[in-house]
Amino acid sequence: RKEVEQDPGPFNVPEGATVAFNCTYSNSASQSFFWYRQDCRKEPKLLMSVYSSGNEDGRFTAQLNRASQYISLLIRDSKLSDSATYLCVVRGSTLGRLYFGRGTQLTVWP
Amino acid sequence: ETGVTQTPRHLVMGMTNKKSLKCEQHLGHNAMYWYKQSAKKPLELMFVYNFKEQTENNSVPSRFSPECPNSSHLFLHLHTLQPEDSALYLCASSQTTSGYNEQFFGPGTRLTVL
Repeated sequence: RKEVEQDPGPFNVPEGATVAFNCTYSNSASQSFFWYRQDCRKEPKLLMSVYSSGNEDGRFTAQLNRASQYISLLIRDSKLSDSATYLCVVRGSTLGRLYFGRGTQLTVWP
Repeated sequence: ETGVTQTPRHLVMGMTNKKSLKCEQHLGHNAMYWYKQSAKKPLELMFVYNFKEQTENNSVPSRFSPECPNSSHLFLHLHTLQPEDSALYLCASSQTTSGYNEQFFGPGTRLTVL
């Protein structure tokens, strides 16, 4: 069983749309949760951490459900510049060990 | 951005060659990582160094040999690689290996093994 599972997409949405990505993780002892963004042929960059109470950063909202071992990312009012692959990342119980999902590809079209 | 740099950016090598990948971080971090990213697969952690000490080896074949001479530099020595080792190799650093410390990635070295 994979540590982190994501729907790979691709998601193709028009500008202004709202899009949601989901992710599940297998280790109930996981400590920290993140969404990273990776542009084509570039390195991953942290988009936002995910806190237990849920958190928002502008147009981006992240939610965590520990009971269901489920993480989500909601993007409102999509921009062309949001086109990228979004990686769900979980820190396991071992210090420093991050587990990455395969990523969900998003394309926002004009 | 020059927080984490990697050289070379592209590398083509034969199966009998020996080469090294270099990573340098200018962020004052104490933890450094090597990851492998293959097509259509998730990023795979290879090695973790914390305060120059290797704290994790994720069952990586011995043809990959890491070296961390100080907290700012990390190397990955390569020898007798196989074609399936072709991938993007990413270096990352973080303040330490714990908690919510963000990992900052370098641009990667795209490796092709012929």
